[in-house]
Amino acid sequence: RKEVEQDPGPFNVPEGATVAFNCTYSNSASQSFFWYRQDCRKEPKLLMSVYSSGNEDGRFTAQLNRASQYISLLIRDSKLSDSATYLCVVISLYNFNKFYFGSGTKLNVKP
Amino acid sequence: NAGVTQTPKFRVLKTGQSMTLLCAQDMNHEYMYWYRQDPGMGLRLIHYSVGEGTTAKGEVPDGYNVSRLKKQNFLLGLESAAPSQTSVYFCASSYQSWWGTEAFFGQGTRLTVV
Repeated sequence: RKEVEQDPGPFNVPEGATVAFNCTYSNSASQSFFWYRQDCRKEPKLLMSVYSSGNEDGRFTAQLNRASQYISLLIRDSKLSDSATYLCVVISLYNFNKFYFGSGTKLNVKP
Repeated sequence: NAGVTQTPKFRVLKTGQSMTLLCAQDMNHEYMYWYRQDPGMGLRLIHYSVGEGTTAKGEVPDGYNVSRLKKQNFLLGLESAAPSQTSVYFCASSYQSWWGTEAFFGQGTRLTVV
């Protein structure tokens, strides 16, 4: 079983739409959670960390459900520039910072 | 602000050839990683290092070797390249702190083995 699983998409949405991605992780000892964004043929870049209490950064909201072992990302008022692949990432800080990546969810925002 | 720099950015190898990918970071990070990314597979950890002079195997280490002789450099070697090693390779580094961490990536190396 993969450490992190995501729906690969693609999610095709119009500008201004709200879209949500989920991701599940298998290791209950995972301690830190992130969403990374990857543009085509580029390196992944940190979008936001995910905290137990949930956190928001502008149009982006991330939530963690430890009991069900899933992480979510909500994007409101989608922009064309949000088109990218979103990677769910989990790590155990006590396991040499090994980052485990989901295979990514592709988002296409259309005019 | 160099961050994490990988060289080369592109390479085509013939089956059986060897090569070394270089990763350099200027952020004084303890941890460094080599990942490969294939379509539909996400990033898979090849090898990682928790400090100068130490390395360890990740999920897919076969066919690769690594060295970390200096804290800022992490080298990935392919001893005898195979077509199955055609991939995009990313190097990353991270720091450790009580409040968490973040992985910083290089720009990637696109390797084709023919």
